[in-house]
Amino acid sequence: DAKTTQPNSMESNEEEPVHLPCNHSTISGTDYIHWYRQLPSQGPEYVIHGLTSNVNNRMASLAIAEDRKSSTLILHRATLRDAAVYYCILSGGSSNTGKLIFGQGTTLQVKP
Amino acid sequence: GAVVSQHPSWVICKSGTSVKIECRSLDFQATTMFWYRQFPKQSLMLMATSNEGSKATYEQGVEKDKFLINHASLTLSTLTVTSAHPEDSSFYICSAREQLAKNIQYFGAGTRLSVL
Repeated sequence: DAKTTQPNSMESNEEEPVHLPCNHSTISGTDYIHWYRQLPSQGPEYVIHGLTSNVNNRMASLAIAEDRKSSTLILHRATLRDAAVYYCILSGGSSNTGKLIFGQGTTLQVKP
Repeated sequence: GAVVSQHPSWVICKSGTSVKIECRSLDFQATTMFWYRQFPKQSLMLMATSNEGSKATYEQGVEKDKFLINHASLTLSTLTVTSAHPEDSSFYICSAREQLAKNIQYFGAGTRLSVL
């Protein structure tokens, strides 16, 4: 399974945008880029996913580099409820098992 | 989004007993469900892939005789921790992959197991 690299932690101020980076230099042509987040003592929550083009939904935006070796999750206005561990995961690929292999993720702190 | 219900949310049991955890997809059919465990301050570790009507596929290092998985219908998968010991105490989380949106997994709220 292709690996991703994320910063261990990031801080943001409430109501400011947050850009969470992810490097995935060994991504294959059929790998989707997924983002999930996990609030304390809860199961993970789907945030967004994409293949090549940038994606927007009600929660966030996903900006994917042209060479697909990196991506950025964008929270447009951080709230205290966005404090969580954010996981960037590659899945799909040629085997298409659908498995998600979680790394350590980025712990986002949001300051009021 | 789709809802996955996991039950119980919290269980305490004595060492040597077995515990069953249920994972249900409430408003969609899931041919594939996944089971994870998570220790404090660590990331999720995939234990097994549960396929409806067939045997589960276990990740390397996960004892299939200890963690029994049954996926008897398109909306229910169960994980039974047999002869539980204190080292099995963990946060167990299931997820379900929707048939029509196969790239998205929906997660349960997790089950915290404490073995005394």
